Amino acid sequence: EPEVTQTPSHQVTQMGQEVILRCVPISNHLYFYWYRQILGQKVEFLVSFYNNEISEKSEIFDDQFSVERPDGSNFTLKIRSTKLEDSAMYFCASQEGASLSDTQYFGPGTRLTVL
Amino acid sequence: LAKTTQPISMDSYEGQEVNITCSHNNIATNDYITWYQQFPSQGPRFIIQGYKTKVTNEVASLFIPADRKSSTLSLPRVSLSDTAVYYCLVDTGRRALTFGSGTRLQVQP
Repeated sequence: EPEVTQTPSHQVTQMGQEVILRCVPISNHLYFYWYRQILGQKVEFLVSFYNNEISEKSEIFDDQFSVERPDGSNFTLKIRSTKLEDSAMYFCASQEGASLSDTQYFGPGTRLTVL
Repeated sequence: LAKTTQPISMDSYEGQEVNITCSHNNIATNDYITWYQQFPSQGPRFIIQGYKTKVTNEVASLFIPADRKSSTLSLPRVSLSDTAVYYCLVDTGRRALTFGSGTRLQVQP
């Protein structure tokens, strides 16, 4: 069964450093997402991406964040200058089409720890 | 934005059937109801989705009454590995999913 994969599984970084989280969505999917979950809190939407551009973003997704699909398979989330409060699990998700019945499938997540 | 309400937690024993009910009084005509499962430190995993009546797959059943203002996820014969958080989501047509706090299911031996 196809699945979304994410690397690394755990990233530790110093405050102020840049990090890039990587995702490989399911191959025939066209819509891509990033969510995060701070420990003990809800899963929060960050950004959606379609046709090589951001289609929607939340207020969390400020100028420190960017997304890119550098090739036909990878989808990345970059945090330019990490803050302590960026420590969280980051989940990538992909969705085949735009129908309301199309499901988002989530990856296993990257645990980001900012020291 | 359709808001969902579900119990904060539930307890069950192995082999029992578990029913988790979610209310979504403001569901819109085009909205679908989707349930996800999440284990600690893992991504949400799709369980089942429906629009009306009953949907069944190899994992669960989803019951949706005619007015669609609620839905019930039914897990037959739970095992210890079903201990997880279960989320009920109603798709409002936006692509961003809105997760609530979910229902924490604890299955005991």
